[in-house]
Amino acid sequence: NAGVTQTPKFQVLKTGQSMTLQCAQDMNHEYMSWYRQDPGMGLRLIHYSVGAGITDQGEVPNGYNVSRSTTEDFPLRLLSAAPSQTSVYFCASSYLQNSNQPQHFGDGTRLSIL
Amino acid sequence: AQKITQTQPGMFVQEKEAVTLDCTYDTSDPSYGLFWYKQPSSGEMIFLIYQGSYDQQNATEGRYSLNFQKARKSANLVISASQLGDSAMYFCAMREGEGNDMRFGAGTRLTVKP
Repeated sequence: NAGVTQTPKFQVLKTGQSMTLQCAQDMNHEYMSWYRQDPGMGLRLIHYSVGAGITDQGEVPNGYNVSRSTTEDFPLRLLSAAPSQTSVYFCASSYLQNSNQPQHFGDGTRLSIL
Repeated sequence: AQKITQTQPGMFVQEKEAVTLDCTYDTSDPSYGLFWYKQPSSGEMIFLIYQGSYDQQNATEGRYSLNFQKARKSANLVISASQLGDSAMYFCAMREGEGNDMRFGAGTRLTVKP
């Protein structure tokens, strides 16, 4: 049982480059989300989705795009990378509409923008 | 406004002793869930324990228990009989009502001394 799978695990980009962080889950979870983790700030929500075709912004959405074409996949796109986007990125998923559901996390992607 | 506050950036505990990690939260929704996650140095996010706002008893999971004081809006994590493997970052998080967003505190780094 794979759970939540993120790729790549590490990536170095130059300022202005674009890339997509991949996230896939095999638990049939409706809710998926992307967080960034920065020292001293915990995890901050970037974007989330409550089902295929539905996405919405979180706390820090600027500079990132998402799409949800299937229940399983929720990629995060950086269109023009900036040094401020250097961070560790986590994808998470859970069942929908119930505050007692924990989120299941991928192992993270460590992204450095030079 | 900060929804989850963890006031202890770092904590030290002697092996085999108990330790309490503090978490206070802010919400006006009567229905919410509180979660604790562990993040070891390897980076993954591990779900530890859950407390629902309507739960009458404090949650327990093995050596982990949650000291839930609803009137004070606090949900402190208690780790009994600390082990060296408990050294990690610990995050408190909350989900409110029918909403799916999970808000995280800044985390507490726990170091267990031999």
